Amino acid sequence: GAGVSQSPSNKVTEKGKDVELRCDPISGHTALYWYRQSLGQGLEFLIYFQGNSAPDKSGLPSDRFSAERTGGSVSTLTIQRTQQEDSAVYLCASSAGGGGQPQHFGDGTRLSIL
Amino acid sequence: AQSVTQLGSHVSVSEGALVLLRCNYSSSVPPYLFWYVQYPNQGLQLLLKYTSAATLVKGINGFEAEFKKSETSFHLTKPSAHMSDAAEYFCAVSPTGGGNKLTFGTGTQLKVEL
Repeated sequence: GAGVSQSPSNKVTEKGKDVELRCDPISGHTALYWYRQSLGQGLEFLIYFQGNSAPDKSGLPSDRFSAERTGGSVSTLTIQRTQQEDSAVYLCASSAGGGGQPQHFGDGTRLSIL
Repeated sequence: AQSVTQLGSHVSVSEGALVLLRCNYSSSVPPYLFWYVQYPNQGLQLLLKYTSAATLVKGINGFEAEFKKSETSFHLTKPSAHMSDAAEYFCAVSPTGGGNKLTFGTGTQLKVEL
């Protein structure tokens, strides 16, 4: 597609369940970012992938969060044993070059933990 | 550490009037600064960026921003508002060269009235 695609657009799950969020970046973009936006907060950096380099995981809030990027394209963000404070909009972004800022964001996945 | 403060979560202007969205930053090192825009039902996209070259930066759709070190500001302006400018605008900062770890403000919703 033309833009960054994220799925699902909405996810409601019970506390303690695992969730997987998917991001399909713009074709050819080597850099991929995950951010999240909690209610009333600015966007919070989670993780950054650039090509085949080791990802920058410094923004992941706990070891319940993990992400992978297969084949340099699609990325999956996994949250294990979800907690209510994980409720947020999870945004994926991509850009053409490395070391730079995200250029285009997806529409996000709105995650609600009951 | 760095942070940004956006003054005014909601700004309303008349069509044809000056648009001024305020952003002040705090950074322990020379910053890179960014403005992103999110149009209704779309993902965030990069509007413009300052990366220590010219202090007056021009972006898409007639927007520009000026980096003022003495005021620690990076306000976004447009001389004449158009209805299509109605959107949410986010200011962001990163340390020099660290564009993948942006720190975002909480956003300003711009409303344009006839």
